[in-house]
Parts: sequence; C-alpha cells; structure tokens
Amino acid sequence: EVQLVESGGGLIQPGGSLRLSCAASGFTVSNNFMSWVRQAPGKGLEWVSVIYSDGRTYYADSVKGRFTISRDSSKNTLYLQMNSLRADDTAVYYCAKHPPGLATLDCWGQGTLVTVSS
Amino acid sequence: EIVLTQSPATLSLSPGERATLSCRASQSVSGYLVWYQQKPGQAPRLLIYDASNRATGIPARFSGSGSGTDFTLTISSLEPEDFAVYYCQQRVHWPPITFGQGTRLEIK
Repeated sequence: EVQLVESGGGLIQPGGSLRLSCAASGFTVSNNFMSWVRQAPGKGLEWVSVIYSDGRTYYADSVKGRFTISRDSSKNTLYLQMNSLRADDTAVYYCAKHPPGLATLDCWGQGTLVTVSS
Repeated sequence: EIVLTQSPATLSLSPGERATLSCRASQSVSGYLVWYQQKPGQAPRLLIYDASNRATGIPARFSGSGSGTDFTLTISSLEPEDFAVYYCQQRVHWPPITFGQGTRLEIK
C-alpha cells in the first residue's frame, strides 16, 4: 500500500527555519516525481515545489530562493527545507506523489501544520 | 501561468440531487484536467484525471467532461459523504502546477 507520512511541522518565529519530512512506503521516492503542496487556513491549494526522478527541482515563485526540496533514497524520504519563514507561509503542508512523468497528484500525505508567528 | 476559475464558489444541494461543478481555464489545456475532492480535516483525494477518467475506487456517480478551456464535474445523485470542497488542476503546462480556487458543495 502506498503511504506518505509528513512530520516536522510546528510553531516557528518569522525569519526562522524548519525542515519537513515525508516518509514514503509502498513505492520508491527517487523513481517518482514528488511535490509539496500547501494550504493556508481556510484557503485553497497552492503548489510549492516538485522534484523529478532525475533530480531536477522547481519552485513556486512565492518560495523560490527560500525553500529547498530534496530526497534521501536510503530513507525513502522527501524533504522540504524552509528558510526565512514569513507569516504567509503558515499552512498545512502536504507531500504528494505523481504517477510516472505526470503532473497529477495520485497520493497525498495527511499533512503537517506550519505556523509562523512571533 | 494558466489560471483556473471554478464556479460556483459554493453550491447548496440536497442528498439525491445532481451536482454540476465548472472549471474554466485561461487557455487551452486540451484534455489534461484533474479533479480532487477534499473533506474537512483531510488531505485532497484524486477523483478524476484527464478530464473524464475516474481514479481507482471512485464511485460511478462521479463523472467528468470537457476539453480545451471548459470542464465539468458531475455528481449524478449526491450521497451524504460527497459534501466537500472540489478543486480542479491542469497538468499540461507545468511547472507550476495550478489549482482552481475550489467549489464548496454544502448540504442545503
């Protein structure tokens, strides 16, 4: 069974850093495109970043230069390093798996809440 | 970047009624339109891919149609568990992945 479990969220002050993790089971993270999607409280879905199976990475303009997506094949885990956090980064962060080579998101984790506040 | 506009923002219907949700793209996405369902407190779930194909385990009462810039998600007869927020997403011009703003389907 394909499963994604996020962790690492919490309360952080503006300007701080946080690293989110997404542990995968039932498939190999490095063989798939993997994305992070976030949802601010009461708002819609916002795509954040993707890492392709060949290692290429892309980011939303809102996080470019501040966030870094990566993966660890030995742990079958996806990461999102978030630096210079701002209040408008407050959201539930979901990791999601893509079917091979497609932009569809066919499996989502349960999400982890990041709150940026002083 | 392609902008997706969903309508209506909120749809109030009763169980057993037919629901029709719309998603319009700012430019053609051919047939590469995806629908997700999100219930309160839960992650989104893939519902329909490539405009009209139901994902694994999705009941037959859900159907999708459309191509180019205009797409529709139809729920033929609403069940209590169908009241949720529905998002569309285009997968042809990416990254970035873009979502519509969502349609909230609520019980009347």
